[in-house]
Amino acid sequence: GNSVTQMEGPVTLSEEAFLTINCTYTATGYPSLFWYVQYPGEGLQLLLKATKADDKGSNKGFEATYRKETTSFHLEKGSVQVSDSAVYFCALREMNYQLIWGAGTKLIIKP
Amino acid sequence: GAGVSQSPSNKVTEKGKDVELRCDPISGHTALYWYRQSLGQGLEFLIYFQGNSAPDKSGLPSDRFSAERTGGSVSTLTIQRTQQEDSAVYLCASSESSYEQYFGPGTRLTVT
Repeated sequence: GNSVTQMEGPVTLSEEAFLTINCTYTATGYPSLFWYVQYPGEGLQLLLKATKADDKGSNKGFEATYRKETTSFHLEKGSVQVSDSAVYFCALREMNYQLIWGAGTKLIIKP
Repeated sequence: GAGVSQSPSNKVTEKGKDVELRCDPISGHTALYWYRQSLGQGLEFLIYFQGNSAPDKSGLPSDRFSAERTGGSVSTLTIQRTQQEDSAVYLCASSESSYEQYFGPGTRLTVT
């Protein structure tokens, strides 16, 4: 079946550091891929998405590229801020519209 | 405009009692989803509505769980004879057909 695997956290970085959170997936078809973010005490928010191979999703300085050959959708940011501290979820969606989720990665940014 | 709302925000119930969780989707969104977020299980899909019908109930964990949607809008998730393993945050999302899903703040259910 379909699944999403993302790196375990917590990931702790200093402000202005480069961020990578790895995400790989298994799917039978051609899914859409998403990154959602959950800030402390808030609900899930869509951060970025990509619907086909080689698409790059971007938002708020974050980027992720849909790599079909490596079945990956790694999240990157060039210079993180304390306000980026949150839990990040990678997810995929196939034809039946339900989202299949990774376990989530907690990101802690220290000033 | 208004986002997805859920009520109650917190619910504490005794084992064996029934609970009802409510979701008000974004106006005009035809699709509605329920997910569960629990420690150790992560985020799990429960059920999906398109309009008032539920073409995908594959995620409901047992026959104690049921959901309905009326008027293509409000949805209620009902858990009968609650068990401690039902403790989780129950999340509702809505979308315009197959577009991106917008999530509500969730209902935190604690079964004692």
